[in-house]
Amino acid sequence: DAGITQSPRHKVTETGTPVTLRCHQTENHRYMYWYRQDPGHGLRLIHYSYGVKDTDKGEVSDGYSVSRSKTEDFLLTLESATSSQTSVYFCATLSTLAGMRDTQYFGPGTRLTVL
Amino acid sequence: ELKVEQNPLFLSMQEGKNYTIYCNYSTTSDRLYWYRQDPGKSLESLFVLLSNGAVKQEGRLMASLDTKARLSTLHITAAVHDLSATYFCAVDIYGGSQGNLIFGKGTKLSVKP
Repeated sequence: DAGITQSPRHKVTETGTPVTLRCHQTENHRYMYWYRQDPGHGLRLIHYSYGVKDTDKGEVSDGYSVSRSKTEDFLLTLESATSSQTSVYFCATLSTLAGMRDTQYFGPGTRLTVL
Repeated sequence: ELKVEQNPLFLSMQEGKNYTIYCNYSTTSDRLYWYRQDPGKSLESLFVLLSNGAVKQEGRLMASLDTKARLSTLHITAAVHDLSATYFCAVDIYGGSQGNLIFGKGTKLSVKP
């Protein structure tokens, strides 16, 4: 357990509204990631961050933006939510410490429903 | 485009039997990861395989990596009910250690008495 929390854990929203999901970690891990999980697709990378204010797009970034102003927080924003963004969203962090290198830890997930 | 394919996608086993899950990927990478997910839960890291020929074992699970064949296997020995879960393999997009993973679709394992 890498001390990763996600908020909210569940959210129902309407099409067209902006939504922000928060990932908070207490391990001072430099790398952080946002994934979405959908039936039949496994997990797909949305955005990632290599450090404060250093972010980049992943495999399915359209319609999403991210921000990282502090090491411990990584925010995912759906600028105008659509029904296709109904999913379970997972945050992850990567430890680069010797002995734990390459181990990616996942948060508990946020279930988002867009009506 | 990097593709990661797992098979089978569904596996129903009897307790005490052995079976293997296969993970094929389409690009050069010497890093492969296995995760377990229980229903409604998050992902738990099982194995990190970092080089060709790497083999790791934990209890009834053993994972191996053949980078030349672009193939990893997860072998289950003498399955027990507690192993019922979905298992994912994942490969780093850049073949390095940045952690930008492409996941397979997962293998849903059900172990029956």
